Amino acid sequence: GENVEQHPSTLSVQEGDSAVIKCTYSDSASNYFPWYKQELGKRPQLIIDIRSNVGEKKDQRIAVTLNKTAKHFSLHITETQPEDSAVYFCAAVYGGATNKLIFGTGTLLAVQP
Amino acid sequence: KAGVTQTPRYLIKTRGQQVTLSCSPISGHRSVSWYQQTPGQGLQFLFEYFSETQRNKGNFPGRFSGRQFSNSRSEMNVSTLELGDSALYLCASTSDGGTGELFFGEGSRLTVL
Repeated sequence: GENVEQHPSTLSVQEGDSAVIKCTYSDSASNYFPWYKQELGKRPQLIIDIRSNVGEKKDQRIAVTLNKTAKHFSLHITETQPEDSAVYFCAAVYGGATNKLIFGTGTLLAVQP
Repeated sequence: KAGVTQTPRYLIKTRGQQVTLSCSPISGHRSVSWYQQTPGQGLQFLFEYFSETQRNKGNFPGRFSGRQFSNSRSEMNVSTLELGDSALYLCASTSDGGTGELFFGEGSRLTVL
């Protein structure tokens, strides 16, 4: 079925540490994997995405890796800062070249100063 | 450029009533998607419209419906409201028919009593 599993559901790190969030998807045809950040009371916003023809993508302190064989993708945040505290959602597109995104259940990241 | 606008922002209904939510996408965006967000289930895909046609539909009962107008504005309707329909309903738009960044609105928070 259409499913994206996300772990962990909560993650607490010290400022400056790294944070890793992992997701697994079920549809081998999925070819687009975005990550959204949602701060408390605000709308989700895209922070990084990766397409299936790439294994890794970096943007400053944020990186995403994709293992298509294992159907895994992960978000890595280095040198975490208090403003990184938010809920992070992974997603995978289903149904070909559309915008039907199936989201994971989210990870609440708390960065302790 | 104005962002995605959703109305109303908050509403309270009673069981059995119906509700209509509106979404105005970013100017030039032709794809509009709807998501239901609840604390336990995260972001769940409702449907996607592109050029007035429903392109994808999620696993929600027939009480949930939507449409898109020629100016790309979209509405979703929920009939015979149930307590479990209480949620934040998020609309998102993208620039074209392909897969890309979703720009979310602030959402319509529905409470069913």
